[in-house]
Amino acid sequence: KQEVTQIPAALSVPEGENLVLNCSFTDSAIYNLQWFRQDPGKGLTSLLLIQSSQREQTSGRLNASLDKSSGRSTLYIAASQPGDSATYLCAVGYYNQGGKLIFGQGTELSVKP
Amino acid sequence: GAVVSQHPSRVICKSGTSVKIECRSLDFQATTMFWYRQFPKQSLMLMATSNEGSKATYEQGVEKDKFLINHASLTLSTLTVTSAHPEDSSFYICSASQRAKEGDTQYFGPGTRLTVL
Repeated sequence: KQEVTQIPAALSVPEGENLVLNCSFTDSAIYNLQWFRQDPGKGLTSLLLIQSSQREQTSGRLNASLDKSSGRSTLYIAASQPGDSATYLCAVGYYNQGGKLIFGQGTELSVKP
Repeated sequence: GAVVSQHPSRVICKSGTSVKIECRSLDFQATTMFWYRQFPKQSLMLMATSNEGSKATYEQGVEKDKFLINHASLTLSTLTVTSAHPEDSSFYICSASQRAKEGDTQYFGPGTRLTVL
């Protein structure tokens, strides 16, 4: 069964700290992996997309890495800000699934001023 | 960028009534739309995949007679929750992509909060 797990479920850090969110997946035959941000009561905002042939992607203070062999991805947030407070979801796309995404449970991040 | 809208954003209804949620791709043609539900503090669970002009494909455990999905055009898919009950209260999110292929970007709607009294 294809499952995606995110650790930790919740994280609280002081402003300015660098932090890492973790995502693991049971089936390593992925097509791509995405990181999303979700604010309370809102839809999803795509942050980074990593294709299976890539090792990492960067956007501003965000860096996502992918290690297919170990079934893991990390989202690194540098110099965290209160505005980064949100739930971060990782989602995996597999071959021959018609574009379906399998989501992890999310990590709820709180950055305190 | 591609925009997906949902209507209504929030709905409260009495138990036993039916509720229709619309998902629209505003500036692109969406061959495929996905419907997800999300309970508080939980992740998105895929309910069904709808392709324009054909019947939706439901995930295991999702009642197709309770959650009716119609994708009659390339810009509109609807989800109707029939005979809604309090346990159907949830956050429903749709996404749309141009093709039903891995790698095609899914654009997500803002979600609809359904509360059944």
